[in-house]
Order: sequence, then C-alpha cells, then structure tokens
Amino acid sequence: AQTVTQSQPEMSVQEAETVTLSCTYDTSESDYYLFWYKQPPSRQMILVIRQEAYKQQNATENRFSVNFQKAAKSFSLKISDSQLGDAAMYFCAYRSHDNYGQNFVFGPGTRLSVLP
Amino acid sequence: EAQVTQNPRYLITVTGKKLTVTCSQNMNHEYMSWYRQDPGLGLRQIYYSMNVEVTDKGDVPEGYKVSRKEKRNFPLILESPSPNQTSLYFCASSFNRGVEQYFGPGTRLTVT
Repeated sequence: AQTVTQSQPEMSVQEAETVTLSCTYDTSESDYYLFWYKQPPSRQMILVIRQEAYKQQNATENRFSVNFQKAAKSFSLKISDSQLGDAAMYFCAYRSHDNYGQNFVFGPGTRLSVLP
Repeated sequence: EAQVTQNPRYLITVTGKKLTVTCSQNMNHEYMSWYRQDPGLGLRQIYYSMNVEVTDKGDVPEGYKVSRKEKRNFPLILESPSPNQTSLYFCASSFNRGVEQYFGPGTRLTVT
C-alpha cells in the first residue's frame, strides 16, 4: 500500500518570503499522480497543484511550484512571495493511475503560518 | 454550478443514536468516496463507490455503512455512533478515469 509522509507538522514564513513544504511517498507503481491541497480555516479542500508522474517537468501554478524527484519519491511544494491568505493546512496526496479504488492517500498535513 | 454538497454541516449527537450524513454531486461522476480527517492523521478513506450499487471498503470502514442507489447520492450511515467517530468528514467525487477529486464542504460530527 502506498504511504505519504509530511515530516513538518508546522512551519512559518514571513510575508513576501519563500517557503518549501516537504512530502515523501512510498509506492511500487510507476505511473501515478501527486497533489497538494490547501485547507484554510473554512475547512474547504482546495487543489493547489498536481503533477503527473510520467512528466519530468515540474508543475507550476502562479506562485506555487513543485520539485518532483521521482527516483527519490519526493514531492515538495514551494510557495513564493507568501501572502497572508496562504496560511492554511497543506496536504500532500497520492493517487494511483491504475488502481482507482484505492484512490487518494493523504499525508498528515503541514500547518503553515504566515507572519506579517 | 458544479459542486458536492453535504448535510448537515455540523452535528452533535449521543452514543448509539443512528445518523446519516448525506452527500450529493451534480457532475455525473461515477466515483464517490468518504473520508474522515483527524489531527495528525490527514484524511483517511472510509468507503468508496465506483458506480451505482458498487461500493467497497477503504482504510477505516469499521462502524460505517454506505449505499449507492443513485449516481448522484452517496450517504454515510453511522448505525451506532461512538465517541471515537467524532471527526471531520468529507465526501468527494470524480470521474473513474479522472484525475482531480472534488470535495464537499465537510461535516463536523461530535458524538458524546
């Protein structure tokens, strides 16, 4: 079974600075998807960015980018020019490409604080 | 508007009193799933359904039941709730071959 680990329960960053959240995963599959979800105080799960494992190019969405290292099974999220609205819980998630029933596996989350 | 809805959003109940949390989606998704979120554990899958009348257990199914009689609805049933089922519950849906999963707003359940 796949597992997802986020080793940083809490992190903080100064407004306008850059922060990197770590995520590692364990799988024997070669094709899969990886995601970062943001959960603000409203509790809504918001998709931040996704990465297809077969793509070597790292995904980017505005101020959010990932560093995907397939061999190392690492998938970190970089937030540039941090804003107060970025304060939230961030979850890393894995989805199998073939085993749809098993679907998403989530990490335990990293709580990000943004300091003014 | 494409969305996943859950009701109720908040529920406080007592041990042993049966309850149902409803989930509905308007995107014609085949796949629906229930998760519970607990501090330090992230989201864990309870049950999932790949289509009408097709359901299967996730990682933490004990104490829960589901049914999928219609494509759009996937209710979560707690027949005899216990305090250890106090949690935040999310319903989600997607196409079977789709990548992105759409989440409902969450249901905060407290069992006393």
